[in-house]
Amino acid sequence: DQQVKQNSPSLSVQEGRISILNCDYTNSMFDYFLWYKKYPAEGPTFLISISSIKDKNEDGRFTVFLNKSAKHLSLHIVPSQPGDSAVYFCAASPNAGNNRKLIWGLGTSLAVNP
Amino acid sequence: EAQVTQNPRYLITVTGKKLTVTCSQNMNHEYMSWYRQDPGLGLRQIYYSMNVEVTDKGDVPEGYKVSRKEKRNFPLILESPSPNQTSLYFCASSPGGYGSPLHFGNGTRLTVT
Repeated sequence: DQQVKQNSPSLSVQEGRISILNCDYTNSMFDYFLWYKKYPAEGPTFLISISSIKDKNEDGRFTVFLNKSAKHLSLHIVPSQPGDSAVYFCAASPNAGNNRKLIWGLGTSLAVNP
Repeated sequence: EAQVTQNPRYLITVTGKKLTVTCSQNMNHEYMSWYRQDPGLGLRQIYYSMNVEVTDKGDVPEGYKVSRKEKRNFPLILESPSPNQTSLYFCASSPGGYGSPLHFGNGTRLTVT
């Protein structure tokens, strides 16, 4: 059973508009959440993260919002650019002692159209 | 350039023929890990290593071995590959500390026939 769910397999937005990618999780013990971006034939690259003690983290065009009561987080990209077209993965850290493993969603493929 | 390097990028092999996928990082990271990515299942951790000579199982370790004799290298060994190990494999490393993000290699696509 997926503990981290990205319910939208794909998303298409116009250049310059906002992209909103959503992620839901089931385990209330997750204490850290991360977003990764992946281009074809490359490994995932870290984008932005948020601790469970915060509700917002911002880095340039990227903002992550965390709603713990709803077990929901979202990634906002403003403004969206064609180079943002990639697969975005939401991942959660279960605070498994020394093992910094991540539990991953299945990804959302974002297409930003010029 | 800081990077995690995996080799080979693509590998086709037959059932039972031992193989090794190499992983090397040049960032002096203590933590390294292997994941496999499968359709509908996402990325799942196979093994991880906290430091030299310290390794432990992840969520799907069956059929795999690892070693960590040097800090920079973390090879993944399939002693007797089977078709259910056909997958996309990623090696990752992290500097450590709470919330440190993983740095990934570009992946190895393995096909076992």
